[in-house]
Amino acid sequence: GQNIDQPTEMTATEGAIVQINCTYQTSGFNGLFWYQQHAGEAPTFLSYNVLDGLEEKGRFSSFLSRSKGYSYLLLKELQMKDSASYLCAVSNSNYQLIWGAGTKLIIKP
Amino acid sequence: GAVVSQHPSRVICKSGTSVKIECRSLDFQATTMFWYRQFPKQSLMLMATSNEGSKATYEQGVEKDKFLINHASLTLSTLTVTSAHPEDSSFYICSARDPDRPYEQYFGPGTRLTVT
Repeated sequence: GQNIDQPTEMTATEGAIVQINCTYQTSGFNGLFWYQQHAGEAPTFLSYNVLDGLEEKGRFSSFLSRSKGYSYLLLKELQMKDSASYLCAVSNSNYQLIWGAGTKLIIKP
Repeated sequence: GAVVSQHPSRVICKSGTSVKIECRSLDFQATTMFWYRQFPKQSLMLMATSNEGSKATYEQGVEKDKFLINHASLTLSTLTVTSAHPEDSSFYICSARDPDRPYEQYFGPGTRLTVT
């Protein structure tokens, strides 16, 4: 079967760094996405990785290892507005998005 | 970037009535659109994949006669919740695929449906 695993909830302190991990098993691979979702809103695109390595975009970075079926999202200089759910999704061989259950990130002052 | 709109953003209806939700790709032609449902504190659940000009493909457990999907043009897909019940109350989100970037989906802002 197809499976995406990520932690249910994480807590971090304002100004700190947090890493959210995602492991996956899918039928085929056409890239891995990270989305941010605030309560009551649709997901917004954060990053896309299709090759191994680190992609940096401002305070957010995303890493992919295809051989390990592993990715992480790194958030630096955390701000209160970063409190949200972070969804990991993989595009499989049919270009279907397979979703993780999401990681709720709680930022404390 | 690609923009997808959804209408209405919120709707309240009485039990037994039907509700139609529209999903539009504003600046690209979407041959494929997706309909998701999300219950509170849960992740997105794919309901169906809608291809322009053909019947939608429903995920296991989703009643196709209850959730009618029409994708009559390259920029519009509609989801009709027929004979709605309180348990259908949820956040419904559509996404659209740009054929030039098939690995990515662009999301609409979502529709909050409340059935009383």
